[in-house]
Amino acid sequence: DSGVTQTPKHLITATGQRVTLRCSPRSGDLSVYWYQQSLDQGLQFLIQYYNGEERAKGNILERFSAQQFPDLHSELNLSSLELGDSALYFCASSLGREGNYEQYFGPGTRLTVT
Amino acid sequence: AQTVTQSQPEMSVQEAETVTLSCTYDTSESDYYLFWYKQPPSRQMILVIRQEAYKQQNATENRFSVNFQKAAKSFSLKISDSQLGDAAMYFCAYSSGLQGGSEKLVFGKGTKLTVNP
Repeated sequence: DSGVTQTPKHLITATGQRVTLRCSPRSGDLSVYWYQQSLDQGLQFLIQYYNGEERAKGNILERFSAQQFPDLHSELNLSSLELGDSALYFCASSLGREGNYEQYFGPGTRLTVT
Repeated sequence: AQTVTQSQPEMSVQEAETVTLSCTYDTSESDYYLFWYKQPPSRQMILVIRQEAYKQQNATENRFSVNFQKAAKSFSLKISDSQLGDAAMYFCAYSSGLQGGSEKLVFGKGTKLTVNP
């Protein structure tokens, strides 16, 4: 158990819908990262938050957004869903301070868009 | 932009034998971190080992060790005394060490390791 929790574990929804994925980092970790794993794109970085502020953006679609709350949990919002958004979405956390860059991953949320 | 390449889509090893998974990367940075993650059928991403670029000594974690060749930009993973539980997808990953920068991970495409009894 990495200490990172993600809910829900599975999500099945229809095209055009909106969903919210939730992540709670390990106790004490300030950085949260979101990754998408799909068969064709592999593991891709989406976005990072550090202590409530956006720190880096990767290949995140405009239909996707995220935030980190004062209690450091994070949510990834996916809207106007398309079939191609079906993937495994991981949240990871780290201390985010120099020398402590190890990222620990949650179990993932498997999103299926039908 | 940094890239990570794993040239072996699949590898197999006999139980109790040793196997080496290859990884090369491309970067213009001098300070960075390298990682190997394991993804078993459960799909959980598990950190196996990490290497800081400024350290010359290769990292070791029990049966797992790396061969880090900074000049060649090579970072291979050696698994000794392979066990059935080692069967998984293995991902090599790169993280920048720039101060104030993002520690986002850049992943290779993975190597699927099969362990034969």
